[in-house]
Amino acid sequence: RKEVEQDPGPFNVPEGATVAFNCTYSNSASQSFFWYRQDCRKEPKLLMSVYSSGNEDGRFTAQLNRASQYISLLIRDSKLSDSATYLCVVLPTNKLIFGTGTLLAVQP
Amino acid sequence: DVKVTQSSRYLVKRTGEKVFLECVQDMDHENMFWYRQDPGLGLRLIYFSYDVKMKEKGDIPEGYSVSREKKERFSLILESASTNQTSMYLCASSLVVANTEAFFGQGTRLTVV
Repeated sequence: RKEVEQDPGPFNVPEGATVAFNCTYSNSASQSFFWYRQDCRKEPKLLMSVYSSGNEDGRFTAQLNRASQYISLLIRDSKLSDSATYLCVVLPTNKLIFGTGTLLAVQP
Repeated sequence: DVKVTQSSRYLVKRTGEKVFLECVQDMDHENMFWYRQDPGLGLRLIYFSYDVKMKEKGDIPEGYSVSREKKERFSLILESASTNQTSMYLCASSLVVANTEAFFGQGTRLTVV
């Protein structure tokens, strides 16, 4: 079983839609979780950290469910500029483990 | 402005060549990582280092080695390049403290012919 699993998509949604991505992880000792965004032909960049209590940044909400070992990202009111690959990242020890990424395409 | 710099954006090498990919960060980060990224496989960790002269294997270390002689520089070495090592290589760095952001270089697209 992979350490971090994501639905690769693609998710094709219209502008203004709400879309959610899930990511499961296998190491129950993992302590830190993140969502990164990667634009085409660019390097990944941090979108947001994921805290135990859940956290929100504008249109983006991240949640952690330790019991079921998954993290989620919710994007409300999707914009064309949200089109990218979203990578979940888990930190079981000192190393960053990435999911394969979920491709989001927001359509006009 | 934080910076992770990879020595080359594009590289073409021949099978059997020894290849050096260099990565330098200016943020005094303890951790440095090398990943390769392939379509459908995402980012896979090759090696990482949490201190000078310290290294640990990632998920796919075969065919690669690394060197960290100075804190700011982490080199990835392909001892004898093969065509299946054609890929995008990404270097990253972070502080050792959990819940801190990792910063990536712009990537090196390596083609082995």
